[in-house]
Amino acid sequence: AQSVTQLDSQVPVFEEAPVELRCNYSSSVSVYLFWYVQYPNQGLQLLLKYLSGSTLVKGINGFEAEFNKSQTSFHLRKPSVHISDTAEYFCAVTRRGGGSQGNLIFGKGTKLSVKP
Amino acid sequence: DAGVIQSPRHEVTEMGQEVTLRCKPISGHDYLFWYRQTMMRGLELLIYFNNNVPIDDSGMPEDRFSAKMPNASFSTLKIQPSEPRDSAVYFCASSGQGEWGYTFGSGTRLTVV
Repeated sequence: AQSVTQLDSQVPVFEEAPVELRCNYSSSVSVYLFWYVQYPNQGLQLLLKYLSGSTLVKGINGFEAEFNKSQTSFHLRKPSVHISDTAEYFCAVTRRGGGSQGNLIFGKGTKLSVKP
Repeated sequence: DAGVIQSPRHEVTEMGQEVTLRCKPISGHDYLFWYRQTMMRGLELLIYFNNNVPIDDSGMPEDRFSAKMPNASFSTLKIQPSEPRDSAVYFCASSGQGEWGYTFGSGTRLTVV
C-alpha cells in the first residue's frame, strides 16, 4: 500500500517570497505522484503530476515539483508567491502502471497563507 | 466542457433522514470516484467505478452508504439513515483511461443535525 506525509500543516509566507511545500511518500512499488490545489469552497484542481521522465515537473500557476526517488520525496516549489496562491495544497500518490486508475491516496494537506 | 457537476452544493438534513448526492462526470470519462473530506480524516476514497461498474468499495464506511452508477453520465451516493458523523464535504471526480489526473467537482457540503 502507498501513503503520503505532508510535513507541514500550515505554511505562512510573505508575498513575493519563495515557498516549498514538503511531501514524502511510502510505497513498495513504483508510483505516480501528484499535487492538487484547493481554493476555499471549491473542489481540487490538478497542479502537476509526475508519471515518468524528467524528475523536475512544471505545472500551472508557476509551480514546479521535483521527484526524488532516493528520498521518496516530491516537494512543491514556487520562486515567488502571490496573494492568490493562498489555498490548501494536497500531495497524492498512486501505484504506477496497470490498466486501472486505481486509488489516489492523498496527504492531509498543507495550508499556504500568503501575507502582504 | 462544464466539468464534473455535483448537486446539491449544500445539504442540511436531520439525523435519520435519507440523503442522496448526485454527480455528472465529464463526458467520455471512464472512471468515477466518490471522496469524503473531513478535518479529522482528510480526503478518503469511498468508492470508484470503471465503465459504470463498482471496482472498489472498501472505503464505504458502513451499510448505510450505497452508491450507484446506472449509466455513464450519472452517479448517486446515498446515505440512509444519516447520522451527524456523516457531516463532511463529499466530492465526485472523474478521469479518462490513461489520463492519470482526476477532475473534481465542487463538492456537496453535507450537514446532519
